[in-house]
Amino acid sequence: GAGVSQSPSNKVTEKGKDVELRCDPISGHTALYWYRQRLGQGLEFLIYFQGNSAPDKSGLPSDRFSAERTGESVSTLTIQRTQQEDSAVYLCASSLLGRGETQYFGPGTRLLVL
Amino acid sequence: GQQVMQIPQYQHVQEGEDFTTYCNSSTTLSNIQWYKQRPGGHPVFLIQLVKSGEVKKQKRLTFQFGEAKKNSSLHITATQTTDVGTYFCASFSGNTGKLIFGQGTTLQVKP
Repeated sequence: GAGVSQSPSNKVTEKGKDVELRCDPISGHTALYWYRQRLGQGLEFLIYFQGNSAPDKSGLPSDRFSAERTGESVSTLTIQRTQQEDSAVYLCASSLLGRGETQYFGPGTRLLVL
Repeated sequence: GQQVMQIPQYQHVQEGEDFTTYCNSSTTLSNIQWYKQRPGGHPVFLIQLVKSGEVKKQKRLTFQFGEAKKNSSLHITATQTTDVGTYFCASFSGNTGKLIFGQGTTLQVKP
């Protein structure tokens, strides 16, 4: 595609429910990143994929967070048993090869946990 | 782990005034990237600096990478209302593709 796309654009859920966020990277980009951005805050690294492997999961805040990538393309970020502090914009980015390259960001998914 | 500190957090200027944001690290950085995020938008890549002492210009924007590769700055000359947004610096951590972002500087420009 022309750019990174994410779905849904907005998600409202109740505390305790599970949510799945999807990212479609730019076609051919091998590296994919997930970030979290709380209101008025900077970007917090969550996880990074090179191909379908995740060499760096150090940013995942708890075991309620998981992510996978298949076919070196689509990635899903799953948050189980959501908490109110999970409310944030979740941004996905992709780059052609990874380290040292420009990251292209998607529009983000705005998650609100009530 | 590697941290990148960015100051100031907020800056309000009158249109036509200059603006500078600074990025600092206690460790040597392999490179530095700068992104701009408009209100309600997502970060957009501006530039990457790699060499010690490197200076790059994009119209009214001047980017510098320190000689010791521990700091960087973004300077905007004669700000315009279209410059409004949050400017982030970022650097790659270790040998992975993990990108560490500074906290960002939010620029407001009064017309």
